[in-house]
Amino acid sequence: QVQLRESGPGLVQPSETLSLTCTVSGYSISSIYYWGWIRQPPGKGLEWIGSIHRSGNTFYTPSLKSRVTISVDMSKNQFSLKLNSVTAADTAVYYCARVVCSGGSCPKSDYWGQGILVTVSS
Amino acid sequence: QSVLTQPPSVSAAPGQKVTISCSGSSSNIGNNYVSWYQQLPGTAPKLLIYENNERPSGIPDRFSASKSGTSATLGITGLQTGDEADYYCGTWDSSLSAGVFGGGTKLTVL
Repeated sequence: QVQLRESGPGLVQPSETLSLTCTVSGYSISSIYYWGWIRQPPGKGLEWIGSIHRSGNTFYTPSLKSRVTISVDMSKNQFSLKLNSVTAADTAVYYCARVVCSGGSCPKSDYWGQGILVTVSS
Repeated sequence: QSVLTQPPSVSAAPGQKVTISCSGSSSNIGNNYVSWYQQLPGTAPKLLIYENNERPSGIPDRFSASKSGTSATLGITGLQTGDEADYYCGTWDSSLSAGVFGGGTKLTVL
């Protein structure tokens, strides 16, 4: 059974860097799948952030691309999110997920973590 | 402002049927598979439909979906109070090279 769990600070100072890790169990992160991050501001809808493959290939949503880095650590079966220069608008529940891609299209996220609330505030 | 457009809310009585629409463009729905997700209150989204109309193992056949052109529709029959949730459509946008979601639809079972 594939399981994902997010971890990291629940409070980040404005202008600092948000750093989260997703630990995957029950499945090898070095498989054919991509691994991604999605966020949800309080009371609002889902926003796709980006995804990464074991090869290092990444996709990022354009509105966040200049501030986002997603990386993978196959030795720990983990992948990570870094979002720099955060503001209150980055306050959200952050989910990690397994992303299914084919032919340059990644329309499906089939396993999700429980989510972690990150608040940006001084 | 979401790339995909969904109605903010729908409602129906227990046992009835409801449909939720999702509208996009040729760069997303028109040329990529559509997925649907169910988010029960306080929980993570759960994959409900993939590849336009396929159900993952364990999803009852009360849930169905279709796609036509640049729009997709989720249908739920035999509504139960436990179906009260937010429903999101999602797909890939080939112009953005990124995933996109609808704004979500809150289903109320009256």
